[in-house]
Amino acid sequence: DAGVTQSPTHLIKTRGQQVTLRCSPISGHKSVSWYQQVLGQGPQFIFQYYEKEERGRGNFPDRFSARQFPNYSSELNVNALLLGDSALYLCASRADRGFTEQYFGPGTRLTVT
Amino acid sequence: TQLLEQSPQFLSIQEGENLTVYCNSSSVFSSLQWYRQEPGEGPVLLVTVVTGGEVKKLKRLTFQFGDARKDSSLHITAAQPGDTGLYLCAGLVSGTYKYIFGTGTRLKVLA
Repeated sequence: DAGVTQSPTHLIKTRGQQVTLRCSPISGHKSVSWYQQVLGQGPQFIFQYYEKEERGRGNFPDRFSARQFPNYSSELNVNALLLGDSALYLCASRADRGFTEQYFGPGTRLTVT
Repeated sequence: TQLLEQSPQFLSIQEGENLTVYCNSSSVFSSLQWYRQEPGEGPVLLVTVVTGGEVKKLKRLTFQFGDARKDSSLHITAAQPGDTGLYLCAGLVSGTYKYIFGTGTRLKVLA
């Protein structure tokens, strides 16, 4: 079975631009979470989606938004990019929204110049 | 704000040595996971511990969850160069669906 997939692998954007990152969870998994990992730090929770609804949100500005589709794939959007948004963006999949293990994709490396 | 502190931050040891990494918080967790991450890749799940006091062994790795479910440790016996990487703990905050991650321990095992 395929694991969590993310696209694109790498992305370079300019300050002020907008970006969309994509994630496909493990087949059968209904929950997707997004994390931001700045170099040298642990991942920081951004969003969790379950059954197409937002179930949790971390301490990130409104420039960050996400959605989940009927096939449980998800998109993370970031508007008005800042240099500080440069990071590895990770998507994690789990079978349901609660008390289960989560599995990560390879991440999307976003560089804002 | 929930925090998970890991120690040490960095560890460089010789092949064959033993080591322990600690993960501590003032928050109670429903479960706690340990991951290993290679540069530029996503974290890979090593283990999940659920019950206070639980001990799990995975070959040379031993994981323990504190009795109060606020802390955890990872012990590696006879470390090998292949153990090199960033070790992360992540706790599922009780009463929520949110995982918080520790600050990470960067391990380097020298041949």
